[in-house]
Amino acid sequence: QVYLVESGGGVVQPGKSLRLSCAASGFTFSRSGMHWVRQAPGKGLEWVACIYYDGSNKYYADSVRGRFTISRDNSNNMLYLQINSLRVEDTAVYYCAKTPTYNVYNRFDYWGQGTLVTVSS
Amino acid sequence: EIVLTQSPGTLSLSPGERATLSCRASQSVSTSFLGWYQQKPGQAPRLLIYATSSRASGIPDRFSGSGSGTEFTLTISRLEPEDFAVYYCHHYNTAPLTFGGGTKVEIK
Repeated sequence: QVYLVESGGGVVQPGKSLRLSCAASGFTFSRSGMHWVRQAPGKGLEWVACIYYDGSNKYYADSVRGRFTISRDNSNNMLYLQINSLRVEDTAVYYCAKTPTYNVYNRFDYWGQGTLVTVSS
Repeated sequence: EIVLTQSPGTLSLSPGERATLSCRASQSVSTSFLGWYQQKPGQAPRLLIYATSSRASGIPDRFSGSGSGTEFTLTISRLEPEDFAVYYCHHYNTAPLTFGGGTKVEIK
């Protein structure tokens, strides 16, 4: 059974930093492209970032490029999202999601349950 | 960036009725890279359809997808009570990947 479990969310002040984690199990993590997707309260889905199976390439949405960094630790089956210079508009549930193959350009076949980040003073 | 526009925003139907959801892309999308997700309140999205018309594992055959170019459709042939939810189309051809704004299917 595939599991993706996010953690690290919470209430943070604008301008601060946060690191989100996603623990993966039940599949060969090192063979899957991985993504972060966020959803602001009451809003739709917004793709945030992705990383190749081996960490060799990373891509970001324009709205987060330069502030967010995606990374992975294949030896421990972990995905991360470092978020710097947090803004109120970053408030959202953050989901990690996997693709079924090495390729990041593929469907998201499994999603975690999400972790809520609230940016507020 | 490929912008996906979904219509209608809300669809009010009764159980047993047919639902037709539309997704229009701002430029042509390969059929291999267009999918649909279902999301219920408080839950993560769930993959329904990938590559325009392939059903994901465990998805009942009342769900079907079609389309090409810039016009794609998700059809639910006969709505079951558990199908009332929000549906998102998604392109995954190249970065930035994008989602449509969603269609809410509600009980009439």
